[in-house]
Amino acid sequence: AQSVAQPEDQVNVAEGNPLTVKCTYSVSGNPYLFWYVQYPNRGLQFLLKYITGDNLVKGSYGFEAEFNKSQTSFHLKKPSALVSDSALYFCAVSYSGGSYIPTFGRGTSLIVHP
Amino acid sequence: IAGITQAPTSQILAAGRRMTLRCTQDMRHNAMYWYRQDLGLGLRLIHYSNTAGTTGKGEVPDGYSVSRANTDDFPLTLASAVPSQTSVYFCASSVLAGGYNEQFFGPGTRLTVL
Repeated sequence: AQSVAQPEDQVNVAEGNPLTVKCTYSVSGNPYLFWYVQYPNRGLQFLLKYITGDNLVKGSYGFEAEFNKSQTSFHLKKPSALVSDSALYFCAVSYSGGSYIPTFGRGTSLIVHP
Repeated sequence: IAGITQAPTSQILAAGRRMTLRCTQDMRHNAMYWYRQDLGLGLRLIHYSNTAGTTGKGEVPDGYSVSRANTDDFPLTLASAVPSQTSVYFCASSVLAGGYNEQFFGPGTRLTVL
């Protein structure tokens, strides 16, 4: 079985400040974890993924995410937020040996204030 | 490079009517997916296809059907539309049907059933 939770519906941050969007997961094997971003009236765009190896994954637009196996988390981070980062962010999970189709979280709306 | 195209962009449909949402990809991806996105519920999988000639049911398949006659096209049909099928529909694809592959999404179709 696989499930993913994004505990915050909305995250507010000031431009220039660091941002974190949280994601926790539950799987029956080794997880494959993804982050996607959705801008208004657009489809989802892939940001980054964790398959294996280094726990810190770097992706597009300066985003990174840290895989933490003990806390079953995969939080999305960026050192300095931009107003243009304002969007809807989705975490997704699948796992080795299970359903290959990822399960998506409900999404977190990130609002970066000027 | 077009990626994934969806048609129509938006549609208003009377309840009881039949409707086909079109999806075409030019990336030669093996796997394709249909999701619906509803406020507060995130993305939910309707149907998927591992490869041309095969299809499978997702989380919310009732009232929908799909076909995969070739690699590029994956149409979604609502046989008799109901108001609860009002949603934004996204088609997606991935290189292979493996859980570690990221998905590429189309721009979406906004469907309103009255």
